[in-house]
Amino acid sequence: GAVVSQHPSRVICKSGTSVKIECRSLDFQATTMFWYRQFPKQSLMLMATSNEGSKATYEQGVEKDKFLINHASLTLSTLTVTSAHPEDSSFYICSAMGGDYNEQFFGPGTRLTVL
Amino acid sequence: GQNIDQPTEMTATEGAIVQINCTYQTSGFNGLFWYQQHAGEAPTFLSYNVLDGLEEKGRFSSFLSRSKGYSYLLLKELQMKDSASYLCAVRGEYNQGGKLIFGQGTELSVKP
Repeated sequence: GAVVSQHPSRVICKSGTSVKIECRSLDFQATTMFWYRQFPKQSLMLMATSNEGSKATYEQGVEKDKFLINHASLTLSTLTVTSAHPEDSSFYICSAMGGDYNEQFFGPGTRLTVL
Repeated sequence: GQNIDQPTEMTATEGAIVQINCTYQTSGFNGLFWYQQHAGEAPTFLSYNVLDGLEEKGRFSSFLSRSKGYSYLLLKELQMKDSASYLCAVRGEYNQGGKLIFGQGTELSVKP
């Protein structure tokens, strides 16, 4: 299957700082990437849909000014958590979808801890 | 609205068969996915159903009934490594860009 990477895998930051998470499709061009957040013992919650070259579509309740998404190329999308607070601590997972509409390929996730 | 229901937890014995059910009510339907997720890791794809019926892939099978809004994942010959969370996800209408709505996941514990 296709490979999606995320960087960093784990990050600890101080409250009030910004953190950038990268999601890359390594062996295919991803027309669409998705960003999810997962709290302990809970399922994946879709935050936003990111299309290359256009603005991201955010799900209801997700602050677009706090979670900045940039999809600059067909292989890279970034999520920036601005002015992070302890309640933003979570597992952030991206997925990428290419020409085959049937499957999303997930990255390994990024564990964010805000102190 | 969107609603996907799965049991929260299940326990089964090594070597046995277990069925994990999923019911859904969504504004549109364009496929149902099952994923396996081990703690601290990303989900991995198990199966995809878009038409009614059974899809078999090795020890895993998935069934779909669109009229009933129902699916199940069947795991045969359970192994200890099958202990994980199993996520049911529905893809909505095509014009929603392929996004998936996930159920809360079923935590499966396989006992010796």
